[in-house]
Amino acid sequence: AQRVTQPEKLLSVFKGAPVELKCNYSYSGSPELFWYVQYSRQRLQLLLRHISRESIKGFTADLNKGETSFHLKKPFAQEEDSAMYYCALYNFNKFYFGSGTKLNVKP
Amino acid sequence: SAVISQKPSRDICQRGTSLTIQCQVDSQVTMMFWYRQQPGQSLTLIATANQGSEATYESGFVIDKFPISRPNLTFSTLTVSNMSPEDSSIYLCSVDGTGGTEAFFGQGTRLTVV
Repeated sequence: AQRVTQPEKLLSVFKGAPVELKCNYSYSGSPELFWYVQYSRQRLQLLLRHISRESIKGFTADLNKGETSFHLKKPFAQEEDSAMYYCALYNFNKFYFGSGTKLNVKP
Repeated sequence: SAVISQKPSRDICQRGTSLTIQCQVDSQVTMMFWYRQQPGQSLTLIATANQGSEATYESGFVIDKFPISRPNLTFSTLTVSNMSPEDSSIYLCSVDGTGGTEAFFGQGTRLTVV
């Protein structure tokens, strides 16, 4: 069965510091992985997907099949990055979400 | 993309009563999804609503407790029946983009059962 784990409920960093939000998954096939973000008082929205290999708002995420990880990284955090971040796996027409990590970027 | 309107945005209900949440999409979609987001926990899929057939429920969720309607390709409702305080949660409606490339979400319904 598929499972997505985000071990950190809260991550606090100072502005300008690097940030890494961890995500591990369990899935036997080739996963489709995503990061979703929810800013305060906004709805959940897509941040990036692994197949696109894109950088969105300075964030990147690399799929590591050996470690079954899909960590989200940004070299220099900004205050506006403060939000809830959810890692998600897509399988058989369904999304499976992790429990989320709240990122707090302090000035 | 898809724009999803969900209502009510919040409600406070007495235990033992039922609440129906509505979800309207601005385009026709094959599948609509209902999630529950409990405080500090992940989004948990309740069921998949398909037009013209019964909803498909995930493990731990049953139709008697969470009946779903899907009368057409742009609309669905989720009813939380015989509510208890444990049902207090945020309920989210969602649809997929083409090929599952993205999920779009409503703004959620914050339910408090007292």
